Amino acid sequence: NAGVTQTPKFQVLKTGQSMTLQCAQDMNHNSMYWYRQDPGMGLRLIYYSASEGTTDKGEVPNGYNVSRLNKREFSLRLESAAPSQTSVYFCASRPDRSTYEQYFGPGTRLTVT
Amino acid sequence: LAKTTQPISMDSYEGQEVNITCSHNNIATNDYITWYQQFPSQGPRFIIQGYKTKVTNEVASLFIPADRKSSTLSLPRVSLSDTAVYYCLVGDWLTGGGNKLTFGTGTQLKVEL
Repeated sequence: NAGVTQTPKFQVLKTGQSMTLQCAQDMNHNSMYWYRQDPGMGLRLIYYSASEGTTDKGEVPNGYNVSRLNKREFSLRLESAAPSQTSVYFCASRPDRSTYEQYFGPGTRLTVT
Repeated sequence: LAKTTQPISMDSYEGQEVNITCSHNNIATNDYITWYQQFPSQGPRFIIQGYKTKVTNEVASLFIPADRKSSTLSLPRVSLSDTAVYYCLVGDWLTGGGNKLTFGTGTQLKVEL
């Protein structure tokens, strides 16, 4: 099993450009999450998907959209990137409500200039 | 959401036991306590979860007093490889009301020779 994979690993954008961060998991997990982590800070939840077909806002959803394409894939889109969105983005998945254990991907380091 | 308070940093030496305490005075009846570990440039990794008393696994122990207003993560005989940030999370995922867990800033543990 590859676990949780994220693409790309690194990305530099100019202000106003758009891009989609991809996340996929091969563990048949129901829930998936997108977090951002700014330097020296903890993780903040952007959006989550409790199950296929559902998405909901987290703590910092402004400027982002998500798509739960199927059970495996959960993408995060920045429609018009801003320097404040410079961060490391982590995707995570969780099997179901019976556990608090999330499995995290390796992260995408995004810089917006 | 229950707010958590942890020490910003701790120092230890190889072979010592390390105890990291997390304060969560407004923990709710259905909330569980979960700890994660994060190495630089990696996503967090689940360590342990508990509701009350003591939980032990192959990596750590979690001590929760009867009033549940705090918890202590205990790492036995730490090594250099335990140098990481440790996050305490409190929330309710089992009944579906706590998808928005917050990681906070965590405790930076530094282990030296």
